[in-house]
Amino acid sequence: ETGVTQTPRHLVMGMTNKKSLKCEQHLGHNAMYWYKQSAKKPLELMFVYNFKEQTENNSVPSRFSPECPNSSHLFLHLHTLQPEDSALYLCASSQARTGEGGYTFGSGTRLTVV
Amino acid sequence: QKEVEQNSGPLSVPEGAIASLNCTYSDRGSQSFFWYRQYSGKSPELIMFIYSNGDKEDGRFTAQLNKASQYVSLLIRDSQPSDSATYLCAVTYSGYALNFGKGTSLLVTP
Repeated sequence: ETGVTQTPRHLVMGMTNKKSLKCEQHLGHNAMYWYKQSAKKPLELMFVYNFKEQTENNSVPSRFSPECPNSSHLFLHLHTLQPEDSALYLCASSQARTGEGGYTFGSGTRLTVV
Repeated sequence: QKEVEQNSGPLSVPEGAIASLNCTYSDRGSQSFFWYRQYSGKSPELIMFIYSNGDKEDGRFTAQLNKASQYVSLLIRDSQPSDSATYLCAVTYSGYALNFGKGTSLLVTP
């Protein structure tokens, strides 16, 4: 495996379900991110982890709960979501939090809340 | 709120022409600037980054940065139909994560 891997690729969940998104990076990077991409909107930063410590929480509702057990793995735990949470969720990693050299994105998880 | 503005397009150019994509940003303290390409249904892919005023060339791509005017642009020479995608401008400033624009849709017609 190379780069940034996200699973699952597609997820349909009911509003009362609990699910988790997984991200793994094989690049030796120190920072990992969750972004949300909705139609007609720019990429929205959700969470930032630097050396597995959360450094930013961009006013994200508590129904989204991140977890970073080590610098290579990042999870996004989902519960009691709303239909407006349907979007593409992208994980990214970078060598440093400031993004020198840019971010590498995973393929994303297409989430549909029904 | 630190803004990154892009014309959503679509920008349509004929094959072989130069495509010019523009981006403006609101924070004068911004330090690093990136261009990503995103094909429909795919994740963003980094194509260029620039840190200093002036031009930076990589193959058919040239990034241009003017910090005084707070804009960054991307030129694509000899545009190909395979360049048809959404181009995202991203900006960062010291210690913070990338802030993205909405993207410009580019269509290269044969």
